[in-house]
Amino acid sequence: GAVVSQHPSRVICKSGTSVKIECRSLDFQATTMFWYRQFPKQSLMLMATSNEGSKATYEQGVEKDKFLINHASLTLSTLTVTSAHPEDSSFYICSASRGRGTEAFFGQGTRLTVV
Amino acid sequence: AQSVTQPDIHITVSEGASLELRCNYSYGATPYLFWYVQSPGQGLQLLLKYFSGDTLVQGIKGFEAEFKRSQSSFNLRKPSVHWSDAAEYFCAVGANDMRFGAGTRLTVKP
Repeated sequence: GAVVSQHPSRVICKSGTSVKIECRSLDFQATTMFWYRQFPKQSLMLMATSNEGSKATYEQGVEKDKFLINHASLTLSTLTVTSAHPEDSSFYICSASRGRGTEAFFGQGTRLTVV
Repeated sequence: AQSVTQPDIHITVSEGASLELRCNYSYGATPYLFWYVQSPGQGLQLLLKYFSGDTLVQGIKGFEAEFKRSQSSFNLRKPSVHWSDAAEYFCAVGANDMRFGAGTRLTVKP
């Protein structure tokens, strides 16, 4: 199979703090990982694409200094929401693929609540 | 640029009735197309996908979808809906950096 694990599944943090979300490919090497954001009752919006060993490519309108993405290994990508505010509360989902043109597999998502 | 349109925001069907969820896409090349289902507060579950070959694709839970290039459509169908099918359904296009439609919420009446 192709299993992608996200951690934590839920997190509550105080406004102004930072929170890190991990995305791991458990049984394959993921050269590319993707981060999505989903507001309540809305669709998934691609935030950024990360390739192992290089800088992430952010979609238009996504603040790269606020949403730090690191893809340091072929099995792990992290999304750090810096100086979180209540409006950052959302469902964050990652996906991982073996390479361009191959199917991407999704994690189960992380519910972030900023209070 | 690739994009997906799901024209129906909310659909209600009776249990046992047939279902069709619409999806239209815009894509520069041969598209990779997907249907996902999401229950409240949960992640995505892949129902089926189309990369190439037979345009009628069978998926899990009795779902199927038909790729029609001439209509730029990839509609999802199920002959008999079960109450447990109530959820949000997303159509997506793209090989890796997928673009999702707005979603269709399915309600199943007893």
